[in-house]
Amino acid sequence: EAQVTQNPRYLITVTGKKLTVTCSQNMNHEYMSWYRQDPGLGLRQIYYSMNVEVTDKGDVPEGYKVSRKEKRNFPLILESPSPNQTSLYFCASSLIATNEKLFFGSGTQLSVL
Amino acid sequence: LAKTTQPISMDSYEGQEVNITCSHNNIATNDYITWYQQFPSQGPRFIIQGYKTKVTNEVASLFIPADRKSSTLSLPRVSLSDTAVYYCLVKENNDMRFGAGTRLTVKP
Repeated sequence: EAQVTQNPRYLITVTGKKLTVTCSQNMNHEYMSWYRQDPGLGLRQIYYSMNVEVTDKGDVPEGYKVSRKEKRNFPLILESPSPNQTSLYFCASSLIATNEKLFFGSGTQLSVL
Repeated sequence: LAKTTQPISMDSYEGQEVNITCSHNNIATNDYITWYQQFPSQGPRFIIQGYKTKVTNEVASLFIPADRKSSTLSLPRVSLSDTAVYYCLVKENNDMRFGAGTRLTVKP
């Protein structure tokens, strides 16, 4: 089944404790991206990647890192999480960067205490 | 800033047709307009995509005027299960920016 898989689904952590949210897609998509969703603010893009080893900042990249060493994986790294990063995170992918038909993962609800 | 503007919320009743309009005044020549549906605690799901005039699939229709500065998602005969947030997306360079979305509530 074609899908975007995120893990974990829920995560509670404390301020300053490094964490990684994984994202994997099995559709051989070139484009991958991360979004955060907060009440009243819709989806805001954090980082995106047009292909392996190519990443770029979205609207709200501060406090986040990403890497794209393999085509299928695009992990989101929070080196030193803070409470304002408490949010619902979504990973998405599309065939190519010029195709806006995105496939989304099920989301990761992160709480930073 | 998002390139798109939508109403924050809309109410409708079962069986009615719902039209949600999105404004995208600065759309580039090559940009498509894409609409998504999102249920609580789920990722957005692709509904329909178009470039100009009218596109129809089994779920919805998308109307795009000649100037392409806006688009209208049309949901025929909505049911309670169509209650969701609807987003229009216009790509800016390679940055897929969503607006705040329209929360549609369908009432019995």
